[in-house]
Amino acid sequence: GENVEQHPSTLSVQEGDSAVIKCTYSDSASNYFPWYKQELGKGPQLIIDIRSNVGEKKDQRIAVTLNKTAKHFSLHITETQPEDSAVYFCAVLTGTASKLTFGTGTRLQVTL
Amino acid sequence: DAGITQSPRHKVTETGTPVTLRCHQTENHRYMYWYRQDPGHGLRLIHYSYGVKDTDKGEVSDGYSVSRSKTEDFLLTLESATSSQTSVYFCAISELDGYTFGSGTRLTVV
Repeated sequence: GENVEQHPSTLSVQEGDSAVIKCTYSDSASNYFPWYKQELGKGPQLIIDIRSNVGEKKDQRIAVTLNKTAKHFSLHITETQPEDSAVYFCAVLTGTASKLTFGTGTRLQVTL
Repeated sequence: DAGITQSPRHKVTETGTPVTLRCHQTENHRYMYWYRQDPGHGLRLIHYSYGVKDTDKGEVSDGYSVSRSKTEDFLLTLESATSSQTSVYFCAISELDGYTFGSGTRLTVV
């Protein structure tokens, strides 16, 4: 089955700095790569996604890049704010029935 | 989250007892999923459904069963709860690829 690795597991940045989280996957047929943000006590929420026919996508302060040849994709958050502090998960769409395989998560802490 | 609710939100149960968690959606989405979330493991798929009475196993299905008799409801049953099933359980719905997650059920097996 699909294997998704996510790094780093924890990340601490100062407010205003950038944060980058990276994921690698194993199945070259995968074609959809979403990122989720999970705040304490809540379910994960989709923040941005990218499909295999696109190399980069931006939405205000967040962006995702995809390198299909190397089978990795990254989440970039610029001008970080305290409200960006949360756990972030990458995911990869696998096979049929729209099944997502998740990375193990990155705990991002934005300090003042 | 709007359109998807999980119940109960919290439950403490004893080892060996059966437990059923409920996921209810109002979005009429075809696909429904049960994940468990544990530290260091992220979210792992337990079972999923691709239609009424159509279900299949995920990567961590041992000890769990599911049922979907109506489009809107997807039930997860632990036939005989064990301490290793202490976890936070999330239900998700999807029509194509974007998932919407419920708020989760925190289950403690003592």
